[in-house]
Amino acid sequence: AQKITQTQPGMFVQEKEAVTLDCTYDTSDQSYGLFWYKQPSSGEMIFLIYQGSYDEQNATEGRYSLNFQKARKSANLVISASQLGDSAMYFCAMRVYNQGGKLIFGQGTELSVKP
Amino acid sequence: DGGITQSPKYLFRKEGQNVTLSCEQNLNHDAMYWYRQDPGQGLRLIYYSQIVNDFQKGDIAEGYSVSREKKESFPLTVTSAQKNPTAFYLCASTGQLNSPLHFGNGTRLTVT
Repeated sequence: AQKITQTQPGMFVQEKEAVTLDCTYDTSDQSYGLFWYKQPSSGEMIFLIYQGSYDEQNATEGRYSLNFQKARKSANLVISASQLGDSAMYFCAMRVYNQGGKLIFGQGTELSVKP
Repeated sequence: DGGITQSPKYLFRKEGQNVTLSCEQNLNHDAMYWYRQDPGQGLRLIYYSQIVNDFQKGDIAEGYSVSREKKESFPLTVTSAQKNPTAFYLCASTGQLNSPLHFGNGTRLTVT
């Protein structure tokens, strides 16, 4: 069975500093994708970054980067130069491609950025 | 603008009543999904559909039903058999497996 684990229920970071949000996953399949989403208090789900299992380079999108360590089955999100608007819930998710495309989510990490 | 529309934003029902949540997309996506989110929790998959007239149960399908008669629409019915229906419901769609899911803004259902 596939599983996503986020072990940090809550994190604090000082404004302008970098922060790493942890995500580990479990699957026996070789072909899968990893996603990170941000959910502000309004409830909307905002897509941040994607990493495919065959991608050799770590994904980057602006201030977001994904530290992909396939052997360790980890896909940590790194946010550089944190901003007050980064305060939100962050979810790691995985899609196994031979499972019909369903996306499963971790429990989330609540990030608070301090001024 | 293309997107996913969920309506209504807030919904209140009495216990024992069935209620249907609407989800419409104009992104021409084949796959659509329904997730449930409880306070402080992650998203749990209820049902998903990859093509019209076909859908699969997710991890928590009991007490829910769906239909997919049109590509654009994927309504979710919360039946009286669902023991704890009060939650935040999110609908999503995607066009390709390596593409992110696009989410609607959600419906907050309260059953008393």
